[in-house]
Amino acid sequence: EVQLVESGGGLIQPGGSLRLSCAASGFTVSSSYMSWVRQAPGKGLEWVSLIYSGGTTSYADSVKGRFTMSRDNSKNTLFLQMNSLRAEDTAMYYCALLLRSTGEFDYWGQGTLVTVSS
Amino acid sequence: SYDLTQPPSVSVSPGLTATITCSGDKLGEKYVCWYQQKPGQSPVLVIHQDTKRPSGIPERFSGSNSGNTATLTISGTQAMDEADYYCQAWDSSFVVFGGGTKLTVL
Repeated sequence: EVQLVESGGGLIQPGGSLRLSCAASGFTVSSSYMSWVRQAPGKGLEWVSLIYSGGTTSYADSVKGRFTMSRDNSKNTLFLQMNSLRAEDTAMYYCALLLRSTGEFDYWGQGTLVTVSS
Repeated sequence: SYDLTQPPSVSVSPGLTATITCSGDKLGEKYVCWYQQKPGQSPVLVIHQDTKRPSGIPERFSGSNSGNTATLTISGTQAMDEADYYCQAWDSSFVVFGGGTKLTVL
């Protein structure tokens, strides 16, 4: 059974850094397409980043240069390093698994909340 | 950048058909999927590759995609279908979501 469990969210001051984790089970992270998607309070879904099975990454313009997605194959875990955080980065952050190369997110975690505020 | 446009809200009476649209330039040339999200819950994939239903999704959910518009159709809408619905497409390694549509069943 596929499971995705995010952690690492919390309250952080503007300009600060935070690292989110997504512990995966039921499949192998290193051979999968995975993504981070966020949702600001009361707002819609916003794609953040994607990692291909080969390790190549892609980012939304809103986070490019500030966020870095990576994975630890030995721990079967996905990460999102977030630097230079801004108030507009406040959101629930979900990790998601793509089973096919057609771009849909088949499985989602429960999310971890990031609040950027002084 | 590529944009997907959805109506902010759609209302439907129980038992009737709900239709939610998603518009984008030449959207019919891309694969579109749809998610259902209920308050306080993570999104759930209900349609992928334009028309396919994942295992466990009721047959009343169907999709289509042609020209500049993709459509999610819910036949015989039930109260449990009240939720936010998001379309999503993949464009040159970038993922794009529509703004979401709140479906009210009344």
